[in-house]
Amino acid sequence: DGGITQSPKYLFRKEGQNVTLSCEQNLNHDAMYWYRQDPGQGLRLIYYSQIVNDFQKGDIAEGYSVSREKKESFPLTVTSAQKNPTAFYLCASSIVSGRGPYEQYFGPGTRLTVT
Amino acid sequence: AQTVTQSQPEMSVQEAETVTLSCTYDTSESNYYLFWYKQPPSRQMILVIRQEAYKQQNATENRFSVNFQKAAKSFSLKISDSQLGDTAMYFCAFMKHVIPEGAQKLVFGQGTRLTINP
Repeated sequence: DGGITQSPKYLFRKEGQNVTLSCEQNLNHDAMYWYRQDPGQGLRLIYYSQIVNDFQKGDIAEGYSVSREKKESFPLTVTSAQKNPTAFYLCASSIVSGRGPYEQYFGPGTRLTVT
Repeated sequence: AQTVTQSQPEMSVQEAETVTLSCTYDTSESNYYLFWYKQPPSRQMILVIRQEAYKQQNATENRFSVNFQKAAKSFSLKISDSQLGDTAMYFCAFMKHVIPEGAQKLVFGQGTRLTINP
């Protein structure tokens, strides 16, 4: 079955450590996205990538980094510079050509807790 | 910048009733897309329904329908014959339509927590 996988489901880290969240898709989508969800708030865009080896900052990119070496993969690194990293992180993908709308399909998410 | 507002943090109805969730948005764009996503307790985001701004006809998907009022910048979701499985957070989201085409972010509202009671 086609879909998006995120691992792990739960992740615990000590403050000051970098951590990488995995996102893989087999939908053959060109674009991939990372969103952050905090309690009582909607999702906010961290980074997105429309094509391999290219990515753009979203609204809250500070303290995060990404790479896009393969079409299927878009890992997110939460660095020690991120002041409030504890959150639920969602990865999504979409097509970017042909007739719109380019609806985004989401993975199951990773809950990151930093103490 | 676009903003999306959901003014109802929580709603609760009895099973089989009809419920309407409100959403307003602010944009200067003339062409765009609007979505409703559902997030059940599993936290998986699921697309419920979508609307293209240039289409006057309101979108419907089985028990789900929207009331799209472009001039008022309103996009409400109606759930008919509500079921226990409809219990979830519901998010309204906006996406610009740009040319040339390409990846575009979704701008989300804060969400409405809907509970369907037996």
